[in-house]
Amino acid sequence: AQKVTQAQTEISVVEKEDVTLDCVYETRDTTYYLFWYKQPPSGELVFLIRRNSFDEQNEISGRYSWNFQKSTSSFNFTITASQVVDSAVYFCALSEENYGGATNKLIFGTGTLLAVQP
Amino acid sequence: SAVISQKPSRDICQRGTSLTIQCQVDSQVTMMFWYRQQPGQSLTLIATANQGSEATYESGFVIDKFPISRPNLTFSTLTVSNMSPEDSSIYLCSARPGGGTDTQYFGPGTRLTVL
Repeated sequence: AQKVTQAQTEISVVEKEDVTLDCVYETRDTTYYLFWYKQPPSGELVFLIRRNSFDEQNEISGRYSWNFQKSTSSFNFTITASQVVDSAVYFCALSEENYGGATNKLIFGTGTLLAVQP
Repeated sequence: SAVISQKPSRDICQRGTSLTIQCQVDSQVTMMFWYRQQPGQSLTLIATANQGSEATYESGFVIDKFPISRPNLTFSTLTVSNMSPEDSSIYLCSARPGGGTDTQYFGPGTRLTVL
């Protein structure tokens, strides 16, 4: 069965610190997709990144970077030089392949609440 | 990508009543979904809204409680029926534009409080 684990329930850092959010997943599929979403206090879920199972290249986007390691079934997210505006709940998610090859169902982790203090 | 709007953004309802939430996407999309997020919890898929046919419900969710409509490729509604305080949650609509992309984009959510 597919499962996503975000062991860190809450993290508190001081502005400008680097912070890594952990995500470990379980799946028996050979083709799957991993996602990170941000949910600020307003409640909207903001898409950050999508990674497929065949692409293990790390990705950097500004202060955000992602480390995908299939060997450890992890897809960790690092924020460099954190800012107060980064305060939010961050969800890692896995999509399972279904319905004739069309991935659709998202399985979410329990989320990590990141609080960045000024 | 897709830009999704939901109405209402929040509501406070009385026990035993029903509320219909609307979801509008700015472009035609292949798939739309409804999720529930209970206070302090993660997101749980309620159902996939299928255009032109009945929605596909996840285990634990039934059509009588959460009827869903999807009359076209840009619009869907979710009704929360015969509400109880346990239905107090954020309800989020999402869409997968299709065309080979597997990313789901989410609406801003509807915060429902049932008294």
